[in-house]
Amino acid sequence: NAGVTQTPKFQVLKTGQSMTLQCAQDMNHNSMYWYRQDPGMGLRLIYYSASEGTTDKGEVPNGYNVSRLNKREFSLRLESAAPSQTSVYFCASSPIGGRVEQYFGPGTRLTVT
Amino acid sequence: GENVEQHPSTLSVQEGDSAVIKCTYSDSASNYFPWYKQELGKRPQLIIDIRSNVGEKKDQRIAVTLNKTAKHFSLHITETQPEDSAVYFCALFRDDKIIFGKGTRLHILP
Repeated sequence: NAGVTQTPKFQVLKTGQSMTLQCAQDMNHNSMYWYRQDPGMGLRLIYYSASEGTTDKGEVPNGYNVSRLNKREFSLRLESAAPSQTSVYFCASSPIGGRVEQYFGPGTRLTVT
Repeated sequence: GENVEQHPSTLSVQEGDSAVIKCTYSDSASNYFPWYKQELGKRPQLIIDIRSNVGEKKDQRIAVTLNKTAKHFSLHITETQPEDSAVYFCALFRDDKIIFGKGTRLHILP
């Protein structure tokens, strides 16, 4: 099992450019999450999908959109990147909502100039 | 929304001593409290969790205690070792999602 995979690992964007971060899990988990991690701010939830076919906003959704493409894949899109979106992005999955362990991907380091 | 306050933000202990990290929360409906460890440049990983029907749980050198009345839970690491150096996050489950504290950076001094 690969667990949770994310692509790309690193990305540099110019302000105003768009991009999609990809996430996939092979553990047959129902729930998937996108977080951003900034120094001193911990892990902040951007969007989550409690089950296939549903998505909900988290703590910091502005400037992002998500798509739960199927049970395995959950993508995060930045339509018009801003320097404030420079961060490390983690995708995570768990079998039953947040009641059990969340498994994290390796992260994507995004820099917006 | 629900907040999790975590203290301290940085903690330095001598190798072999104990480390304690404390978190407080406000919503009494929360019933699942995990702790994650993140080593430098790595992803967060679950190290221990506790549910609201239990007051304490131990796993070798790591223990977690929960006081639901006072709405706080703590991570205890005994006989600290260099590999314990990392950032530790407390968290709780609420409305289908996990809410994380801001993290504690633990330094183990030789």
